[in-house]
Amino acid sequence: DTGVSQNPRHKITKRGQNVTFRCDPISEHNRLYWYRQTLGQGPEFLTYFQNEAQLEKSRLLSDRFSAERPKGSFSTLEIQRTEQGDSAMYLCASSLLGGMNTEAFFGQGTRLTVV
Amino acid sequence: QKEVEQNSGPLSVPEGAIASLNCTYSDRGSQSFFWYRQYSGKSPELIMFIYSNGDKEDGRFTAQLNKASQYVSLLIRDSQPSDSATYLCAVTHSGGYQKVTFGIGTKLQVIP
Repeated sequence: DTGVSQNPRHKITKRGQNVTFRCDPISEHNRLYWYRQTLGQGPEFLTYFQNEAQLEKSRLLSDRFSAERPKGSFSTLEIQRTEQGDSAMYLCASSLLGGMNTEAFFGQGTRLTVV
Repeated sequence: QKEVEQNSGPLSVPEGAIASLNCTYSDRGSQSFFWYRQYSGKSPELIMFIYSNGDKEDGRFTAQLNKASQYVSLLIRDSQPSDSATYLCAVTHSGGYQKVTFGIGTKLQVIP
């Protein structure tokens, strides 16, 4: 499978616990994005990596959220001290850098439920 | 003003009709425009992208871009019940790394 892969697909956690999600982008893609989507809304930008560098983090993102892409390949998104408002689908996407080929391809998402 | 605006719908069309989905954007320097289809509970799937003014056709889908009016649309000809989904408009910002911003999505219902 050469698409974007996200794990786990589903996560149920108790409020206050920490969770970590993983994203493996398409192998030649050097851009990686994290989005969050709640019911009835479009994907909301969280953060962006170009290779291993995190170039932007949404102002809407609290300090409880952190993302890494240590070797410019896979990425992790950690949410500390989860709250019920964190319940959402977390989407990872990747794309190529440069030229006009900027279309982003999404993984299947990780659905987080905080109880 | 939202960066990417779409009517949330639902837009209902009979099977076989043309479905017209519209999107406006605020960043006049935006360069790339995408349409994604999202089935309930699934992740977005890229179906069309367009970079230049005018029309771009791919099978039953036609994307239309008018940069002067900051308007992009998606036409679906011969609509099928399997086209029933939410259609997300996405736009890359000018400058920087071209962050992709999404609209709220338009829910399309094709009635058999």
